[in-house]
Amino acid sequence: KQEVTQIPAALSVPEGENLVLNCSFTDSAIYNLQWFRQDPGKGLTSLLLIQSSQREQTSGRLNASLDKSSGRSTLYIAASQPGDSATYLCAVSRDDKIIFGKGTRLHILP
Amino acid sequence: DAGVTQSPTHLIKTRGQHVTLRCSPISGHKSVSWYQQVLGQGPQFIFQYYEKEERGRGNFPDRFSARQFPNYSSELNVNALLLGDSALYLCASSFRQGEQYFGPGTRLTVT
Repeated sequence: KQEVTQIPAALSVPEGENLVLNCSFTDSAIYNLQWFRQDPGKGLTSLLLIQSSQREQTSGRLNASLDKSSGRSTLYIAASQPGDSATYLCAVSRDDKIIFGKGTRLHILP
Repeated sequence: DAGVTQSPTHLIKTRGQHVTLRCSPISGHKSVSWYQQVLGQGPQFIFQYYEKEERGRGNFPDRFSARQFPNYSSELNVNALLLGDSALYLCASSFRQGEQYFGPGTRLTVT
């Protein structure tokens, strides 16, 4: 049974710092891994999608890496801003099922 | 281009009642997935439909059912509502197993 774990559960950092969010999964046989952002009470916004054959994806200040063999992914956020405050979720997909972690609540201090 | 749309935005129901939630995917997307998100938790997978056929089902009771229409829109039905069904219900569309695009969700409160 696939399980997805995100560490830490919550994180507060001063504005301008670089930070790393972690995601681990127990079954390496995945189709892809996706990182999402969720603002309170809202839906999910896709940030980055990494196919199983890829190692990383970049979009602006965001970089996500995937190490399928070890069951790990990281989301790197450079030069954090107060507007980055949100919950960040990772999800892995396989066989038409998508499994989410519980998320990391990120608070950027002005 | 319109994104994924869901209706209604908010809904309040009483225990034992039935509810129908609706989702319209992004134009051209043939896959629709439904998720339940309880406060403080990640979304839990309920169903995936592709080309009007059920392709995946999560660990939810038979009170939960769904269908996809010829225009690829979808409905999620929940019978005999329980207090524990209170949650944000999210719909996502995609090209088969590609990137998932989520709608704003329907907030269901069961009293």
